[in-house]
Amino acid sequence: QKEVEQNSGPLSVPEGAIASLNCTYSDRGSQSFFWYRQYSGKSPELIMSIYSNGDKEDGRFTAQLNKASQYVSLLIRDSQPSDSATYLCALWRDTGRRALTFGSGTRLQVQP
Amino acid sequence: NAGVTQTPKFQVLKTGQSMTLQCAQDMNHNSMYWYRQDPGMGLRLIYYSASEGTTDKGEVPNGYNVSRLNKREFSLRLESAAPSQTSVYFCASSEAGQIEAFFGQGTRLTVV
Repeated sequence: QKEVEQNSGPLSVPEGAIASLNCTYSDRGSQSFFWYRQYSGKSPELIMSIYSNGDKEDGRFTAQLNKASQYVSLLIRDSQPSDSATYLCALWRDTGRRALTFGSGTRLQVQP
Repeated sequence: NAGVTQTPKFQVLKTGQSMTLQCAQDMNHNSMYWYRQDPGMGLRLIYYSASEGTTDKGEVPNGYNVSRLNKREFSLRLESAAPSQTSVYFCASSEAGQIEAFFGQGTRLTVV
């Protein structure tokens, strides 16, 4: 079982809709969670971080964390064609390997 | 402010050749990382350095060596390149693991 699982997609949504991206993880010791966006041919960039159960909102983005169920999600409201990218879920643990562990990413396509 | 700078951006090697990928950051970060990204595999950690003078293996260290030359620089060496090492390599740095990691622009390496 991979440490971080994501559906590879593509997830296709119409412009203006809500895009919902999901991520599950296997290690209950995971402490912190991140969503990175990666445009084709570019490097990943951080868009959201979440450390405690519940929702965290930043503009059109909402990250949701449920540690009991071991999942993290990212909602993108009012999706725009410029949101079309691959979204990478990542986690950090305070023990063991002190580096981010990434999922394989979900490709999002926003149709104009 | 350049952030994380990787050189070269592109490289073609013949099987058995060696090369060093260079990475430098100007953000005074303690932690630095090397990842590789292959289609459908997300980012996989090769090696990391939690602080100057320390290096540790990541998920896929075989065939690679690293040097944390000083606080700014973290190099990745391929001693005898193999076609399986064809990939995009990303260097990243962070102040501490739970805080945002910044990525370089990547090195696209092809081994023929």
